[in-house]
Parts: sequence; structure tokens; C-alpha cells
Amino acid sequence: GAGVSQSPRYKVAKRGQDVALRCDPISGHVSLFWYQQALGQGPEFLTYFQNEAQLDKSGLPSDRFFAERPEGSVSTLKIQRTQQEDSAVYLCASSRLVAGGEENEQFFGPGTRLTVL
Amino acid sequence: AQKVTQAQTEISVVEKEDVTLDCVYETRDTTYYLFWYKQPPSGELVFLIRRNSFDEQNEISGRYSWNFQKSTSSFNFTITASQVVDSAVYFCALVNSGGYQKVTFGTGTKLQVIP
Repeated sequence: GAGVSQSPRYKVAKRGQDVALRCDPISGHVSLFWYQQALGQGPEFLTYFQNEAQLDKSGLPSDRFFAERPEGSVSTLKIQRTQQEDSAVYLCASSRLVAGGEENEQFFGPGTRLTVL
Repeated sequence: AQKVTQAQTEISVVEKEDVTLDCVYETRDTTYYLFWYKQPPSGELVFLIRRNSFDEQNEISGRYSWNFQKSTSSFNFTITASQVVDSAVYFCALVNSGGYQKVTFGTGTKLQVIP
């Protein structure tokens, strides 16, 4: 497909486990974003990549959260020693350009629903 | 700092009624974009509309219409003759025009259309 894909769609983890969430952006898209959406809330920005460079990680809630995009395409969001408050939907979005006008729309993936027991 | 406020948490309407979803935003930027997204129970964010800060023309697309008023920093969304398939959570969002354009979302309004 031509859209943003994420895997797994659902993940259940026991408290203390490490998890890895994958995002496949649209091919050729330079920008990649991760958002966290808690239940009943709007998505909140976590981090941003321009190609392989992580230019903004100001939204990562703690040092247990780590994201990478080593080859400038697929990205992985890793959460170490998961806590119950990490339960949320994690959304990935990509856009074609770095900045600019209307052509730089973000396309969202379906999200990964993480439940920490 | 940017902020988007959707004061209506949940709205219920009977099918075929019109409904307006409110959105108020705050930004220091003079150039920005406003969006509405629909999030059905499946969870995926569906893009509905984008409006840039220089274009205050109202827009109509089928049963959907949007009222952008820069003077009151509002970007309201109206669904005419609502249908059950309109039931979803709707998010208003703001993007600054510079930099890498991270999206600031409101908290969403859950719309339930009752048959």
C-alpha cells in the first residue's frame, strides 16, 4: 500500500518489559513524526526525524523512550521498562518535505495500541 | 506556545440534525495552518480539511462546512444533516508554517449520531 503502516497494531506488555514499535513511512518522505495518544485525549508530539537525524525529541516523556531511524526510512520507537502510564496509542506520521506550505501534509498511520498490565 | 481548545467533550445529536463542533486556537505565529481530522472507532486519523491563516473564506464540502474567523481565533466545523456514519471523535489541529511543522491537536470532540 501507499500509506503509512505501523506494526504491531496491538501490543500487550507486562510492566517492566521492553517494547519496540515500528513505523514504515510513505516511501521518499523526508519527515517522520511520532505522537502519543492517551485514552480520551488528542495526540501529543513525541519526536521528529528529518531523514535519519532526530531533530526534536522534546516530547519524549522520559529517558525510557528512545526512537531511531537509522537509514532515513523505517523508524522504531522503543520503550524500556514499560509502566502502566505508557498505555496509549502511538501514532506515526510522515510528510514529503522538511517544511513548507500545503504540500507538506502529514499522513498518519493506523497506530499501535499499547496496553501495559 | 501553541494551543488548541475544543471545549465540547461529547455531543449527541439525532440523525439528520445539524451539529457544530467548536475550535479555538492560540498561536504567536502569523502564518499557520488549521486542520480537522476525524478518528472513527478503528483509530486511524482521517484528514478532512486544511486551511491556511491567510485564507478566511468559509468552505463547504458536501455536508461539511468550516467557518474560519481569525478575529476570534476560531475554526468551527459544521455537519449538516448528520448521519450515523459521522459518529467519531473529531480533532482540530494547528501547525506552524515554519520549521518542521509538528502538529498541535485539541483534545477532541466525540460526536454520537443517534439513529
